[in-house]
Amino acid sequence: EIVLTQSPDFQSVTPKEKVTITCRASQSIGNGLHWYQQKPDQPPKLLIKYASQSFSGVPSRFSGSGSGTDFTLTIYSLEAEDAATYYCHQSTNSPWTFGQGTKVEIK
Amino acid sequence: QVQLVESGGGVVQPGGSLRLSCAASGFTFSTHGMHWVRQAPGKGLEWVAFIRYDGSEKFYVNSVRGRFTISRDNPKNTLSLQMNSLRPEDTAFYYCAKDLGAANIIFDSWGQGTLVTVSS
Repeated sequence: EIVLTQSPDFQSVTPKEKVTITCRASQSIGNGLHWYQQKPDQPPKLLIKYASQSFSGVPSRFSGSGSGTDFTLTIYSLEAEDAATYYCHQSTNSPWTFGQGTKVEIK
Repeated sequence: QVQLVESGGGVVQPGGSLRLSCAASGFTFSTHGMHWVRQAPGKGLEWVAFIRYDGSEKFYVNSVRGRFTISRDNPKNTLSLQMNSLRPEDTAFYYCAKDLGAANIIFDSWGQGTLVTVSS
């Protein structure tokens, strides 16, 4: 099973700051890495697919990069509505797995 | 737009059974793979099961294989999850999720979830 480890687990950020979340895979997964945003009491939403492709309707301040084992989600100029937990997910090998999540709080 | 509406959750005793359903609309159901993903209260996400667009292949996470069965009825645009021999650790919100394509294994739309509680 591929283990995805996100860091940090928690981040408190002021509006307009840049946020960087990393996701490390226990083995190479190519570009089969995707990012989701989950706000309290809501289902997750797809943000980024295949490491760097923005999903339809996602604001341009969300950006993804990486390949192999190391991936990054960047939120440029954080907005208050971005308070959420962010998860990475790999689609390369079954069982398809998620990272443990990174909670982003607005200061 | 895409709508996924889960139903069938509730409280069940350990060892019991429950059947979840997901009513899909707003897209061509018969051309997309479908998934169940769960989330224990206050915890992270766990993929549970996948079924190909035509039902020809099914995949399960190890912890539910042999106890859960995913199925679909394409003419009725419905996805199901039959859960048997339930355990307390199966307690979670269960989300129905649409695959980006036939089997991209990317969850591009999610339902609101239905809560399953396994407790005596």
